[in-house]
Amino acid sequence: DGGITQSPKYLFRKEGQNVTLSCEQNLNHDAMYWYRQDPGQGLRLIYYSQIVNDFQKGDIAEGYSVSREKKESFPLTVTSAQKNPTAFYLCASQNLRTYAQQNTEAFFGQGTRLTVV
Amino acid sequence: GQQVMQIPQYQHVQEGEDFTTYCNSSTTLSNIQWYKQRPGGHPVFLIQLVKSGEVKKQKRLTFQFGEAKKNSSLHITATQTTDVGTYFCAGLLSGTYKYIFGTGTRLKVLA
Repeated sequence: DGGITQSPKYLFRKEGQNVTLSCEQNLNHDAMYWYRQDPGQGLRLIYYSQIVNDFQKGDIAEGYSVSREKKESFPLTVTSAQKNPTAFYLCASQNLRTYAQQNTEAFFGQGTRLTVV
Repeated sequence: GQQVMQIPQYQHVQEGEDFTTYCNSSTTLSNIQWYKQRPGGHPVFLIQLVKSGEVKKQKRLTFQFGEAKKNSSLHITATQTTDVGTYFCAGLLSGTYKYIFGTGTRLKVLA
């Protein structure tokens, strides 16, 4: 099945630790995104990448890092510099270079719920 | 910076009542998409609007894109408990490949 997979589903982090969230897609999408969602809130963009080996900061990039070494993979590292990392993290991919803006919907992973203990 | 605001932030309705959420952008959009996120789930694509003034329907859901391509609305007729969730719009900034998600409207339907 084609799709986008995030792992793990639940993650616990001790204060001061770095953790990495995985995001893999087999949809052949160029663009990939990381969003943070706090309870009852909207989606805030952390980082996005439109092509391999390139990525841009979103609105809340501080305390996070990403890499895009392969088209299929866009891992997110939550560093110890992120002071309030407890949240729901969503990865998405999207095909942007299409004819007449067709088939450009974003596909989201199931999310990773990160808790600091 | 570019922003996409949605109103209302929350809406509680009785089952059978109608519901509307509005999406407003500070800049012109190439297209707008709508997503639904069920409680505990992830956003799922509903529809995309591209043309100025476009209206699309999906059963009880009606989507509109404004003439100036800066605003959009989602109207649900006769809500059902299965409509519960958060509805997000996402606008593609003109001349870019960047989508901006709206702040979302959380809908609760009381049986």
